[in-house]
Amino acid sequence: NAGVTQTPKFRILKIGQSMTLQCTQDMNHNYMYWYRQDPGMGLKLIYYSVGAGITDKGEVPNGYNVSRSTTEDFPLRLELAAPSQTSVYFCASSLVQTNTEAFFGQGTRLTVV
Amino acid sequence: AQSVAQPEDQVNVAEGNPLTVKCTYSVSGNPYLFWYVQYPNRGLQFLLKYITGDNLVKGSYGFEAEFNKSQTSFHLKKPSALVSDSALYFCAVRGTNAGNNRKLIWGLGTSLAVNP
Repeated sequence: NAGVTQTPKFRILKIGQSMTLQCTQDMNHNYMYWYRQDPGMGLKLIYYSVGAGITDKGEVPNGYNVSRSTTEDFPLRLELAAPSQTSVYFCASSLVQTNTEAFFGQGTRLTVV
Repeated sequence: AQSVAQPEDQVNVAEGNPLTVKCTYSVSGNPYLFWYVQYPNRGLQFLLKYITGDNLVKGSYGFEAEFNKSQTSFHLKKPSALVSDSALYFCAVRGTNAGNNRKLIWGLGTSLAVNP
């Protein structure tokens, strides 16, 4: 069972470059999320989506964009990479019901130099 | 405002001893509570959840958690710790009122070290 798949696992970007972090899930979950994890800071929600075509900002959306054209895919776009975006990024998904757990991808470790 | 607190950054316990990782929360309405574990260089894995019913919830890998409504706590416990339990543990809560039930609120995590 694939679950939530993120690519790439690692990436080094130069300041000002752009990239897309890919996330796909095969569980037919409506809810999908992007988090960033910084040491000692826990998880911060960047963007989330409650279904195809619907996205909304989380706690720390600045510098990022998302789209949700299908139920399966929820890519995260960094347009102008900055050192402050050095972090580990996790994609997650869950069923519509609020009492269900989220399933996480393995993470993307991004370094901006 | 909704919040989750994990008051200990790190917990150290000897192998074979019981362990407790603490979590307290603040949310409007009834809470849905979750525990996740993160092993090094891995994503988060679901351990257990409290939705309703019995206050003692049993989950994966021998972990359990006790929901205490009066103390607004949801502490994670295990009767006998293993070295392989060493990891980062996250508590999360979701409210049940309309408007606050779409997003999980996360604690900052507690690093558990089990010493042989």
